[in-house]
Amino acid sequence: EVQLVESGGGLVQPGGSLRLSCAASGLTFTSYWMTWVRQAPGKGLEWVANIKYDGSEKNYVDSVKGRFTISRDNAKNSLYLQMSSLRAEDTAVYYCANLNNWSFENWGQGTLVTVSS
Amino acid sequence: QSALTQPPSASGSPGQSVTISCTGTSSDIGGYDYVSWYQQHPGKAPKVIIYDVSERPSGVPDRFSGSKSGNTASLTVSGLQAEDEADYYCVSFAGSKNWIFGGGTKLTVL
Repeated sequence: EVQLVESGGGLVQPGGSLRLSCAASGLTFTSYWMTWVRQAPGKGLEWVANIKYDGSEKNYVDSVKGRFTISRDNAKNSLYLQMSSLRAEDTAVYYCANLNNWSFENWGQGTLVTVSS
Repeated sequence: QSALTQPPSASGSPGQSVTISCTGTSSDIGGYDYVSWYQQHPGKAPKVIIYDVSERPSGVPDRFSGSKSGNTASLTVSGLQAEDEADYYCVSFAGSKNWIFGGGTKLTVL
């Protein structure tokens, strides 16, 4: 059974930083592009970033470019999202997912990030 | 890039069929056959129900079907059941390894 477990969310002040983690099991982690998707409270889903299976390619939605960094540690089957210069509009549940068949195949349960003073 | 356009709501009675549209541009839906659909129940993570426009993952009932014409993709739910009541999102590949979601449609089973 595939499991993706996010952690690291919490309350942070505007301008602050936070690092999210996603621990993967039950899949061959090194075979998949991985992605972060977020959902603001009561709102829709938004793709945030993805990373190639070997970490050699990374892509971001325009609104987070220069502020967020996606990375992975294949030895630990883990995905990360380093978030800095956080804004109120970054408040959301952040999900990690693996990409397969050009779709987001498996999702974690999400971790809530709240940016507020 | 703007979100794909979905109707905010849709509804149908048990046993009926309902179709949800998802409209984009030639840079996303019209340019690639990489449209997927997700079902999300309240408080839960999304679940893929359609990928590559019309393919169903194993375990997804064949009541769910997808199609595409030009810049518009559609999800049809046939034989509506109470458990189909959820939010539905479309997603399209938009080139340059970017992805774009629709705004979501709340499906109500009357």
